[in-house]
Amino acid sequence: DAKTTQPPSMDCAEGRAANLPCNHSTISGNEYVYWYRQIHSQGPQYIIHGLKNNETNEMASLIITEDRKSSTLILPHATLRDTAVYYCIVRVTHTGTASKLTFGTGTRLQVTL
Amino acid sequence: DAGVIQSPRHEVTEMGQEVTLRCKPISGHNSLFWYRQTMMRGLELLIYFNNNVPIDDSGMPEDRFSAKMPNASFSTLKIQPSEPRDSAVYFCASSLIHGARSDTQYFGPGTRLTVL
Repeated sequence: DAKTTQPPSMDCAEGRAANLPCNHSTISGNEYVYWYRQIHSQGPQYIIHGLKNNETNEMASLIITEDRKSSTLILPHATLRDTAVYYCIVRVTHTGTASKLTFGTGTRLQVTL
Repeated sequence: DAGVIQSPRHEVTEMGQEVTLRCKPISGHNSLFWYRQTMMRGLELLIYFNNNVPIDDSGMPEDRFSAKMPNASFSTLKIQPSEPRDSAVYFCASSLIHGARSDTQYFGPGTRLTVL
């Protein structure tokens, strides 16, 4: 699976949009971009994933560049509850089989008043 | 949906004792994963199953660790004998593999293991 690079930490004011970048310059055509987050003392929580098109769900939006070498996770209105470590993971999936998630060190997002 | 259920949530034991961690995946899911998280090594995959069959156990640290999945709704991770360096949070995750679609893994709350 391709490696990812994320800033170690970011701050965001409550109510503002949080934009978390991720570089994955060695991504292959069949690799997806996944985002998970881990709130302190909890299990990782799935946020969103995409292949090449931008994606949006009730939690966040995922913007993937046209060359797929980077992406941005957007939390449109950050709250204190969004304070967590955010992991960007690039992962190949195979027909009919599971594949592991390889977690890096992620970005520690601190949402402040 | 109850989500992935793990038990116990906390376990404190003494070195040399046997430890068994339990996981109930989300109903209908056909893949199950065991991860371990420590400060030094972060989150790392230990083993995963597909349709109750172990697929990749290359992350299991040594023979003291073993995992089983006797049926689609239950899995165990056993450490015998336990050592202080096994202290960590152990997470179980499950997913549904369906054709060529990408599967999403859902994690349980974890078991915090302390070996004294």
